[in-house]
Amino acid sequence: QVQLVQFGAGVKKPGASVKVSCKASGYTFSNYEINWVRQATGQGLEWMGWVSPHSGNTAYAQKFQGRVTITRNTSTSTAYMELSGLRSDDTAVYYCARATYYGSATYYFDYWGQGTLVTVSS
Amino acid sequence: DIQMTQSPSSLSASVGDRVTITCRAGQSISTYLNWYQQTPGKAPKLLIFAASRLQSEVPSRFSGSGSGTDFTLTISSLQPEDFATYYCQQSYSTPYTFGLGTRLEIK
Repeated sequence: QVQLVQFGAGVKKPGASVKVSCKASGYTFSNYEINWVRQATGQGLEWMGWVSPHSGNTAYAQKFQGRVTITRNTSTSTAYMELSGLRSDDTAVYYCARATYYGSATYYFDYWGQGTLVTVSS
Repeated sequence: DIQMTQSPSSLSASVGDRVTITCRAGQSISTYLNWYQQTPGKAPKLLIFAASRLQSEVPSRFSGSGSGTDFTLTISSLQPEDFATYYCQQSYSTPYTFGLGTRLEIK
């Protein structure tokens, strides 16, 4: 069965970086893009970016440009999201999600990781 | 960025009720619209994709409709496990924006 298991939670100091990993299993990793979405406590969902495991191509939300780097390791079927210059408002649960195309009708996130809490505090 | 506006932001209903949640996009997004359900402490779960396609293993009491800018999610007969927060999401263009959510509570 398809699973995305995340690692890398923790408390970080302002200005530090955090790297969260997302290990995929149960499907061909290279065939599906991995997206990253975050959610501050009690707030909505915010898309951060994606990586194509096949090509390594990425796209990022303008809001995070210059601070976020999404990569992948095809040999371990793992995607990574690194966020630098952490601020208190980066405190959130970070999710990875597998994306699937439905022809030309849409693109959707059908499997999600369990989420990883990153707390930014001095 | 495409703004997604959901209404209502919260809703109280009873088991067995029929409820409808609406989502409006700031510009036409064809059918690039998905719906997710989230319960506290859990990751979102995909319910509907391409505006009206039911995800595998999602109960048939959930349905979606719409195209262009206006979309709806309908739950035909609420069950206890349906009390959750629902989000719409556009995947027409990046950034893939979500609505602010509709919290469905037990009356």
